[in-house]
Amino acid sequence: DTAVSQTPKYLVTQMGNDKSIKCEQNLGHDTMYWYKQDSKKFLKIMFSYNNKELIINETVPNRFSPKSPDKAHLNLHINSLELGDSAVYFCASSQEIGRRYGYTFGSGTRLTVV
Amino acid sequence: AQSVTQPDIHITVSEGASLELRCNYSYGATPYLFWYVQSPGQGLQLLLKYFSGDTLVQGIKGFEAEFKRSQSSFNLRKPSVHWSDAAEYFCAVGLGPQTGANNLFFGTGTRLTVIP
Repeated sequence: DTAVSQTPKYLVTQMGNDKSIKCEQNLGHDTMYWYKQDSKKFLKIMFSYNNKELIINETVPNRFSPKSPDKAHLNLHINSLELGDSAVYFCASSQEIGRRYGYTFGSGTRLTVV
Repeated sequence: AQSVTQPDIHITVSEGASLELRCNYSYGATPYLFWYVQSPGQGLQLLLKYFSGDTLVQGIKGFEAEFKRSQSSFNLRKPSVHWSDAAEYFCAVGLGPQTGANNLFFGTGTRLTVIP
């Protein structure tokens, strides 16, 4: 029974399209995150939600919009995709104080924009 | 500013040899410290964590890490590496509540290659 699941695992799309990535956790955690991992494996926080409330919104283009319908789900919608958006996107969840307990990660979504 | 440094981009070891991966942090107090492993095509899996107490912590898969306050380090070790340990390893820190930062900050990773 997967703790943090992301769909799809792979996403290939053309420039200018709009796409969504879904994330669900069944751990009962209060906080969820989106991280972007670039081609050099660097992990950068994008967004964080705590009980459906946005608490971290790093400097990312406003083409990226997170949505949390409930505390078990955090989806990422991307408008007008660009080549530079190609990366692996990871969803993660944590107990409320994520900095103390660490995260549980999903297996990632590899986005390729052509 | 706080940061996490993993000085070694790539390390190659022979199967059965010992391993040490380095991690240094820059922060005015003791942070929460983590090591994660990422196998090819997979997400990140928590190996171990430290936030207080015994400075030598044991993790999964036979890994351990030692927190050294004087060196601001949290190095990961394994006495005998297996071929299945080949992966990317990330050190991460969580800062104190006074910083207002609830997320983890990750190092740039160290890629481990294991040769027969």
